Amino acid sequence: NAGVTQTPKFHILKIGQSMTLQCTQDMNHNYMYWYRQDPGMGLKLIYYSVGAGITDKGEVPNGYNVSRSTTEDFPLRLELAAPSQTSVYFCASSYSAGNQPQHFGDGTRLSIL
Amino acid sequence: GENVEQHPSTLSVQEGDSAVIKCTYSDSASNYFPWYKQELGKRPQLIIDIRSNVGEKKDQRIAVTLNKTAKHFSLHITETQPEDSAVYFCADLSYNTDKLIFGTGTRLQVFP
Repeated sequence: NAGVTQTPKFHILKIGQSMTLQCTQDMNHNYMYWYRQDPGMGLKLIYYSVGAGITDKGEVPNGYNVSRSTTEDFPLRLELAAPSQTSVYFCASSYSAGNQPQHFGDGTRLSIL
Repeated sequence: GENVEQHPSTLSVQEGDSAVIKCTYSDSASNYFPWYKQELGKRPQLIIDIRSNVGEKKDQRIAVTLNKTAKHFSLHITETQPEDSAVYFCADLSYNTDKLIFGTGTRLQVFP
């Protein structure tokens, strides 16, 4: 099992550009999540999904979009990137409801200049 | 809305001493409280969790206690070792929203 895999690991984006962060899991987990972690801070939930075809907003969804066409994949799209979106992005998954352990990917470090 | 306060923000201890990190939550419907450890540049990893029907849980040198009346829960690390140095995050999950809310983290440094 590879667990949760995120690509790319690092990326530099110009202001106004768009980008998709990829996340895939091979644990057959139903729930998937996207968090952002700003320097010295905790994790803020951007979007989450309870299963294929179902997505919902978290605490900080503005400027992002997601889709969940398969159980395995949960890509995060940034449209019109802004400097405030410079952060480390973590994807996570859990087998079922939120009260199950969440398994995190290695993160994507994104800089917007 | 939901909120989790975590203290202290930094904690330095001598190897072999104990470390305690405390979190306070506001949502009375919270029912699941995990703790994550994040080493520098790495992913957060679950180290222990507790559910609202239990007051204490132990796993070797790590323990978590929950006081539902006071709405706080704490992480206790005994006999600390240099490899315990990391940032520790608490979180709580509201039964109503089914989403984890994370604390701001505690940077623990264990000096040999």
